[in-house]
Amino acid sequence: DAMVIQNPRYQVTQFGKPVTLSCSQTLNHNVMYWYQQKSSQAPKLLFHYYDKDFNNEADTPDNFQSRRPNTSFCFLDIRSPGLGDAAMYLCATSRDGRGYNEQFFGPGTRLTVL
Amino acid sequence: EDQVTQSPEALRLQEGESSSLNCSYTVSGLRGLFWYRQDPGKGPEFLFTLYSAGEEKEKERLKATLTKKESFLHITAPKPEDSATYLCAVGAQGGSEKLVFGKGTKLTVNP
Repeated sequence: DAMVIQNPRYQVTQFGKPVTLSCSQTLNHNVMYWYQQKSSQAPKLLFHYYDKDFNNEADTPDNFQSRRPNTSFCFLDIRSPGLGDAAMYLCATSRDGRGYNEQFFGPGTRLTVL
Repeated sequence: EDQVTQSPEALRLQEGESSSLNCSYTVSGLRGLFWYRQDPGKGPEFLFTLYSAGEEKEKERLKATLTKKESFLHITAPKPEDSATYLCAVGAQGGSEKLVFGKGTKLTVNP
C-alpha cells in the first residue's frame, strides 16, 4: 500500500543535541509538509516543499531546518533542541496542494528532550 | 484571515447515542474541506473531502455534510472504537498549498 513512513517513531535527545527526523513516501506526491503538534492542539505547519521549492512559515524558528533530497524523502533537522520543542512531529504529503487535495499523514515521531 | 472553529471541544456519548460535530469556517474562497480522525499518539487519518455546499460523504457510521459556512460530521449509533479526536481543515483560495486546521473535537464513546 502507498503510504507515508516516519522514522524513528520515538526519539529522545538531550537539550541542545541536534536531531534529524526522517519521512519517506511511496505516493509520489509533489508536496511534503512538516507539522509540529503538541498535546490537545491542532497541527502547526512548520514548512513545506512543493517539489524542490522550500516554503517556510513566518513563525517557524530558525532552529528548524529541512531538506528534501528527492521526491520520496524529506528530513527535519532540529539544530539545538530546547525543552519547548518536545512534541509530535508529523510529516504529510499532498498530490499538488492548492487547497483542493487532501493531505496524507505519517504516524508521527514523538520527540522527547531531556 | 482564514479561520476554522470546531465545537464542541469534547463530547461524551453513550454507545448508540447519535450526535454531530461542527466545523465553522471563514475563508476567502473555499477550495476543499477535509475531515480527519486522530487516535492518541498517531498521525491524523484522512476521512472525507467536501468541495461544495450541499455535498455529502458517508463512511460506515460517519456522514459529513457541507454548507457555505460550516460542515457537520454526523455519527450514527457510535461504538467505543469511534472514540478519537476529529479534526477539520480547509484549503482556501489564498492559502497556497496549506491547510488551516481547527483544534479538533475529542469524542469519547462509552460502552
